[in-house]
Amino acid sequence: EAGVAQSPRYKIIEKRQSVAFWCNPISGHATLYWYQQILGQGPKLLIQFQNNGVVDDSQLPKDRFSAERLKGVDSTLKIQPAKLEDSAVYLCASSLLQGAGELFFGEGSRLTVL
Amino acid sequence: GQNIDQPTEMTATEGAIVQINCTYQTSGFNGLFWYQQHAGEAPTFLSYNVLDGLEEKGRFSSFLSRSKGYSYLLLKELQMKDSASYLCAVRGGSYIPTFGRGTSLIVHP
Repeated sequence: EAGVAQSPRYKIIEKRQSVAFWCNPISGHATLYWYQQILGQGPKLLIQFQNNGVVDDSQLPKDRFSAERLKGVDSTLKIQPAKLEDSAVYLCASSLLQGAGELFFGEGSRLTVL
Repeated sequence: GQNIDQPTEMTATEGAIVQINCTYQTSGFNGLFWYQQHAGEAPTFLSYNVLDGLEEKGRFSSFLSRSKGYSYLLLKELQMKDSASYLCAVRGGSYIPTFGRGTSLIVHP
């Protein structure tokens, strides 16, 4: 069974530029999460999707971050414009159902903003 | 909201036993996870507790007391490869897992 796929693995941009991250969850997993992990901290939820609907985006900085999961499978997280404090690893995770079972994480996309 | 507390760092000797504690405050409770995360890698699932008691899985065990808002992860027969960060995550009333800051475990010979 293929795991959660993310790309790119690494990205370096200058502040005020834009960046997009892509995630393909495990086949059949209805729930998809984007977490932000700053060095030395635990993952912080940015947004959760159930199929193609948003369940929770209360911690997503909506003035600069956006995310979509148009067909209920792949998802894209965009940052525009980036700030220095956005430097982090962006982890995508999926689970079979909301509220049941463990989360499976991708390898993450490491963003450095200069 | 949710509050999850775990020690920042622990050290232990190869072959020994270590217990990593996690305390939490949450509105509603629907399970507690432990994940292992090696530096530069994604978190990997270790255990899930939703009822009180001990869950054993090989060298790793996890305990939960819902009334105390307390869990621990017990690692036996420590190996050098167990050096990693251990993340406690609580699934609260919203069913969304919230992670603690993680405990960095250093295993030395």
